[in-house]
Amino acid sequence: AQTIHQWPVAEIKAVGSPLSLGCTIKGKSSPNLYWYWQATGGTLQQLFYSITVGQVESVVQLNLSASRPKDDQFILSTEKLLLSHSGFYLCAWSLGDWGVYEQYFGPGTRLTVL
Amino acid sequence: QQKVQQSPESLSVPEGGMASFNCTSSDRNFQYFWWYRQHSGEGPKALMSIFSDGDKKEGRFTAHLNKASLHVSLHIRDSQPSDSALYFCAARAHTGYQNFYFGKGTSLTVIP
Repeated sequence: AQTIHQWPVAEIKAVGSPLSLGCTIKGKSSPNLYWYWQATGGTLQQLFYSITVGQVESVVQLNLSASRPKDDQFILSTEKLLLSHSGFYLCAWSLGDWGVYEQYFGPGTRLTVL
Repeated sequence: QQKVQQSPESLSVPEGGMASFNCTSSDRNFQYFWWYRQHSGEGPKALMSIFSDGDKKEGRFTAHLNKASLHVSLHIRDSQPSDSALYFCAARAHTGYQNFYFGKGTSLTVIP
């Protein structure tokens, strides 16, 4: 069975500090990977997607970057946090690009920027 | 402009009652519609998908799609307190990793 793990569970960071969030998928080779951001109680905004190792595409510009250093790992980072970065960050995977494929979400990381 | 619009914003139903959610999209490229459910503090989980006009039933859940009007709905019969959650409609075009849009969600509270 596939499992998706996100770390850390929660972070409290200062404005201007760096950030690194991680996501690991086990039990599935070469998944499509996604990062989403969700404001408290709000909709999900897709941030990045990755088809393969080393290849990441940006969907929206939020002063964040993403990398896929391994087939099963997806990293979200920034060098300088803004207040607007606060929210819930979700990693997801799917079998393919087509709309027929379900996206499987991780448990999320709650980020508070002060 | 929000490409996927949901209504109502929130909904309260008694235990055992029917909960109904609506979703309308503004992009005729959308062909694939999904309903996701998110319990507080967790990641969303897919409930069901619908790609063809008409009804699709899975247990207590029934989805309906009308592609001509770009309207999709979800109905939950015999609602349970564990159904209390945020419900999202999501839509995708035929292809394109970035073409996956979520609505703002409907918050459901099932009252015991």
